[in-house]
Amino acid sequence: DIVMTQSPDSLAVSLGERATVNCKSSQSILNRSNNKNYLAWYQQKPGQPPKLLIYWASTRESGVPDRFSGSGSGTDFTLTISSLQSEDVAVYYCQQYYSAPFTFGPGTKVDI
Amino acid sequence: EVQLVESGGGLIQPGGSLRLSCAASGFTVSSNTMNWVRQAPGKGLEWVSVIYRSGDTYYADSVKGRFTISTDNSENTLSLQMNSLRAEDTALYYCARGDDYNFFLVWGQGTLVTVSS
Repeated sequence: DIVMTQSPDSLAVSLGERATVNCKSSQSILNRSNNKNYLAWYQQKPGQPPKLLIYWASTRESGVPDRFSGSGSGTDFTLTISSLQSEDVAVYYCQQYYSAPFTFGPGTKVDI
Repeated sequence: EVQLVESGGGLIQPGGSLRLSCAASGFTVSSNTMNWVRQAPGKGLEWVSVIYRSGDTYYADSVKGRFTISTDNSENTLSLQMNSLRAEDTALYYCARGDDYNFFLVWGQGTLVTVSS
């Protein structure tokens, strides 16, 4: 099974400042045949289901503000919120869809 | 509008069985990749099971042999039959539609399963 880890567990960022969440997979989730990283990011606010933000490690889902960006390849990935807004307070999860079981990271709580 | 609505959760004793359903609207369940994902109270997300449009299914080790995922074409629903339930199965169960590569595009609101005597 592919184990996903995230750091930090939580972080507090001032409004308008940058927030960075890291995600690491226990093995490469880069498919060399299509050069795609099978990594997604989700945002979960209290009392709500998760919401897809980014897939293929760096492709923003339709409607997601461009202050959210994803980067990385192989085993190391980053979610960046360039200018934190109050509505971005949430828990952020990475997930690999390279192979079953489709494991999630433990989550990173982002607060102000 | 694309929507998923789960039902069937509740309080069940250890060792008991429960069947969850997920009603889909705006798309056909059997033509998509469908998943169950759960979240224990105050904890993170745990993928549980997937059914592909081919009918192939996969399960997390923690539920293999106890849970069965299926679709009902006539009702356009996804189901999860859960047997031999344990306290550690207590969670909010979400159904989620995956794309062809199985990142999760659409989520329901979840149904709560509590396993306790």
